[in-house]
Amino acid sequence: DAGVTQSPTHLIKTRGQQVTLRCSPKSGHDTVSWYQQALGQGPQFIFQYYEEEERQRGNFPDRFSGHQFPNYSSELNVNALLLGDSALYLCASSLRGHSGNTIYFGEGSWLTVV
Amino acid sequence: QKEVEQNSGPLSVPEGAIASLNCTYSDRGSQSFFWYRQYSGKSPELIMFIYSNGDKEDGRFTAQLNKASQYVSLLIRDSQPSDSATYLCAVTTGTASKLTFGTGTRLQVTL
Repeated sequence: DAGVTQSPTHLIKTRGQQVTLRCSPKSGHDTVSWYQQALGQGPQFIFQYYEEEERQRGNFPDRFSGHQFPNYSSELNVNALLLGDSALYLCASSLRGHSGNTIYFGEGSWLTVV
Repeated sequence: QKEVEQNSGPLSVPEGAIASLNCTYSDRGSQSFFWYRQYSGKSPELIMFIYSNGDKEDGRFTAQLNKASQYVSLLIRDSQPSDSATYLCAVTTGTASKLTFGTGTRLQVTL
């Protein structure tokens, strides 16, 4: 049973570029959430997707957008990259309507903007 | 006021001692409470969750929740050097699984 998988694991981009990060949720999960974790900080909620729609959004600008596909996998897109976007991007999968120990994180994607 | 507050540490405890990690939250509507362990350069790993007042034990770990005081804690008994990590407290509100995290407490277990 595969857990949450994310790709790529590391990438370096230049300011102004665009990046796409990918996530496949744990088998049986239907909800994907994305978090940004800057160095020395706790993860910050970006948004959550369920049934291919954005259901909740955190305090992030429109440069951050996403998508969920029919197979529940998800993409996070960031446009016009800024140096401050350098962070660990985490994908969390869960089953809608459940809580507790059903929230699983992937290994993350390290983004460095230079 | 931050929604979830933790002391950033580092909290240093000798091997074999009890480590006590604390967290307070501001939203009285918070329903579920989580402790994650995060090693440097790795993603958060769920240790425990709790949603009822009182204690919940799992091996060397005990989570304690006091909703009246808006306080949740994690006790680690018989601390080991491998427990050295950052411990993140997180809460959810409502039925959605959106986690609100604290900034984490760095724990150092010394030999």
